[in-house]
Amino acid sequence: AQSVTQLGSHVSVSEGALVLLRCNYSSSVPPYLFWYVQYPNQGLQLLLKYTTGATLVKGINGFEAEFKKSETSFHLTKPSAHMSDAAEYFCAVSELGQKVTFGTGTKLQVIP
Amino acid sequence: DAGVIQSPRHEVTEMGQEVTLRCKPISGHNSLFWYRQTMMRGLELLIYFNNNVPIDDSGMPEDRFSAKMPNASFSTLKIQPSEPRDSAVYFCASSLGLAGGNNEQFFGPGTRLTVL
Repeated sequence: AQSVTQLGSHVSVSEGALVLLRCNYSSSVPPYLFWYVQYPNQGLQLLLKYTTGATLVKGINGFEAEFKKSETSFHLTKPSAHMSDAAEYFCAVSELGQKVTFGTGTKLQVIP
Repeated sequence: DAGVIQSPRHEVTEMGQEVTLRCKPISGHNSLFWYRQTMMRGLELLIYFNNNVPIDDSGMPEDRFSAKMPNASFSTLKIQPSEPRDSAVYFCASSLGLAGGNNEQFFGPGTRLTVL
């Protein structure tokens, strides 16, 4: 069965610092992997997704994630945090024919 | 496109009352999802439909919850009778194709339900 684990429910970074949000997955077949972002009082929106091919995936707002099969990880990074990046981030995994499983979310705080 | 539309955005009701939440998916999408989000339990999938047919309702908490999708452009989630523990933000989402796979889900703005 597929599952996803997000390490750290809260992460704080200084403005301009590297953002690293961790996600590990479990899947019996090659997975599809997603990162969604939720701004306060809004629904989730897709940041990026991995399907097949290139393991480094670029998304919106300068975020990117790298699929590492050997580590079963799909960590989200951004070189320089902006105040506007403060939000909750959800990692998700899916297999063909299966519904998407979301992680428990990581709240990112950006300190000025 | 206006995106996924949910109504009402906020609902305050008293315990025991019936609550109906509404959702209009993005035109052309054929999968629709209802989620519940709380601080304690995070984001939970309640039910999803494909081509208006309920496919998986294993997340529906109990018989007080019911969902319908009478046509491709409208779905409802009903709670009868409502209880304080139902207080949460309820999201509707839609996607192209079948649930799962590499299909992006598009979320509505949510309905914040408070049951007193």
